[in-house]
Amino acid sequence: AQSVTQPDIHITVSEGASLELRCNYSYGATPYLFWYVQSPGQGLQLLLKYFSGDTLVQGIKGFEAEFKRSQSSFNLRKPSVHWSDAAEYFCAVGTTSYDKVIFGPGTSLSVIP
Amino acid sequence: DSGVTQTPKHLITATGQRVTLRCSPRSGDLSVYWYQQSLDQGLQFLIQYYNGEERAKGNILERFSAQQFPDLHSELNLSSLELGDSALYFCASSDKRTPETQYFGPGTRLLVL
Repeated sequence: AQSVTQPDIHITVSEGASLELRCNYSYGATPYLFWYVQSPGQGLQLLLKYFSGDTLVQGIKGFEAEFKRSQSSFNLRKPSVHWSDAAEYFCAVGTTSYDKVIFGPGTSLSVIP
Repeated sequence: DSGVTQTPKHLITATGQRVTLRCSPRSGDLSVYWYQQSLDQGLQFLIQYYNGEERAKGNILERFSAQQFPDLHSELNLSSLELGDSALYFCASSDKRTPETQYFGPGTRLLVL
């Protein structure tokens, strides 16, 4: 069965510092991978997605993620964090049937001045 | 703004009652998904409809039901409500060309007292 783990429940970074959020997945075939962000009181917004091809994917708001098949990982990165990036981040894996997207437990990001 | 709308934004009701949550997908999207987000369970997939037909079921309780109407809007009906049903309920939609990519609405926050 597909599953997604996000090892870090909560991360705090200083504004302007770099960020890496970890995501590991379990899936038998090549997965469809997503990162979503949820700001307080808001719905989930798609940051980026990976289906195939280049393993480094660029998303919105300056985020990027790298797919590493050997490590079953899809870590999200941003070179310089802004205070407005404080939010909950969800990694997700999609199945080939497209019927279900399995979400990880989320990582809460706090940004300090 | 994802283009997915949900009403109401907030709902407060009592145990044993029944409520209906409404979702309008993005224009042209045929698939609608319902999710429940709670602190203890995280983001859980409930059910998917595609062009009026039920397509996939997740962790949806028998007390819950959904339907998608000819105009493609969807309703999630929650009955015999319990305290534990208090949660954020999200609707998402996807289109035929990229069915694996879901766009989320702002959610309905349900509080059962």
